[in-house]
Amino acid sequence: EVQMVESGGGLVKPGGSLRLSCLASGFTFSNYNMNWVRQAPGKGLEWVSSISASSSHIYYEDSGEGRFTISRDDAKNSLFLQMDSLRAEDTAVYYCARGTYVFDYWGQGTLVTVSS
Amino acid sequence: EIVLTQSPGTLSLSPGERATLSCRATQIVTSNYLAWYQQKPGQAPRLLIYGASSRATGIPDRFSGGGSGTDFTLTISRLEPEDFAVYYCQQYHASPRTFGQGTKLEIK
Repeated sequence: EVQMVESGGGLVKPGGSLRLSCLASGFTFSNYNMNWVRQAPGKGLEWVSSISASSSHIYYEDSGEGRFTISRDDAKNSLFLQMDSLRAEDTAVYYCARGTYVFDYWGQGTLVTVSS
Repeated sequence: EIVLTQSPGTLSLSPGERATLSCRATQIVTSNYLAWYQQKPGQAPRLLIYGASSRATGIPDRFSGGGSGTDFTLTISRLEPEDFAVYYCQQYHASPRTFGQGTKLEIK
């Protein structure tokens, strides 16, 4: 069974940093492109960042460019999102999602709250 | 970026009725690179449809997708109680991948 479990969310002050993790199981993690998608409270879905299976291609949504860093450790079946210079508007549930074009499996998400 | 506009914002129907949800794009979505997701409260989204009309694994055949170009639809032929949720469309024709704002399907 495909599973992804996110962790690392929490309350952080504006300008602070957090590192999110996603532990995957039930599939060959190294073969898949992986993504972070977020959802602000009561709002819709927003793609944040993607990393290819080989880590050779990395993409960010405009507001995350220069502040967020996506990475993966295939030996540990793990995906990461380092988030720096956090802003109030980054407050959201962050989901780990598998897929190149569509997101066919999702984790349950981890809540990031940016507030003073 | 391609903006997706979903309508209606809220759809109130009864179990057993037919639901038709719309997703309109600001640019042509070639190769029908459009997907639909279902999200229930407190849960992660679930992929329903990809390629505009192909059902994802395990999705009941009462869910169907259609359309092309800039106009796409998700149809639920006979609503079951578990179908009441929020539905999002997503395009993957162009970067960045974008979502519609969602349609809430509620029980009438």
